[in-house]
Amino acid sequence: GEDVEQSLFLSVREGDSSVINCTYTDSSSTYLYWYKQEPGAGLQLLTYIFSNMDMKQDQRLTVLLNKKDKHLSLRIADTQTGDSAIYFCAEREGGSYIPTFGRGTSLIVHP
Amino acid sequence: KAGVTQTPRYLIKTRGQQVTLSCSPISGHRSVSWYQQTPGQGLQFLFEYFSETQRNKGNFPGRFSGRQFSNSRSEMNVSTLELGDSALYLCASSSGSGGINEQFFGPGTRLTVL
Repeated sequence: GEDVEQSLFLSVREGDSSVINCTYTDSSSTYLYWYKQEPGAGLQLLTYIFSNMDMKQDQRLTVLLNKKDKHLSLRIADTQTGDSAIYFCAEREGGSYIPTFGRGTSLIVHP
Repeated sequence: KAGVTQTPRYLIKTRGQQVTLSCSPISGHRSVSWYQQTPGQGLQFLFEYFSETQRNKGNFPGRFSGRQFSNSRSEMNVSTLELGDSALYLCASSSGSGGINEQFFGPGTRLTVL
């Protein structure tokens, strides 16, 4: 079945860029999402990209998609302590209403 | 626009009991999905309701059930609780139609089974 893989932890220094990586197996994925979960809260959609796009930029966030390698990344520029959270990658094929989530990457930002 | 609300926020039960969790979606949303989040298994999909019908189902035992009312509010029930059911239960609402179909999550219900 479909699978979405992410590394579990990433530690960066405040002010540096963070890059969170994700790989997926479903070649028919149409929508790819990045969600953020802060402590004690639900998931919040940060950004998404269509499978026919290579890149999407939204303020400090840059999403890169390599469809051939089924690799998705989220780059956060000028990472701040407030960016510390768990980041989930998710994919959904066009015919499905339910995304498949990765297990999440815990981003730790230290001074 | 009010967000997704879940009640209760915290719940402590003992093994063998049953529990009902409630979710109120964003106004106008017709789809409600339920997820179980645990440190070991991550985010696992339980089921999705759309217009009062279960449209999608994850791989959970029959002890986990749900329903959706005509106002799109949804409830999830877990019977004969087990220790392994301790988790954060998240509800997400969406339009349920095509396109981005962004899911909006509630804050979750933290269930502890003793």
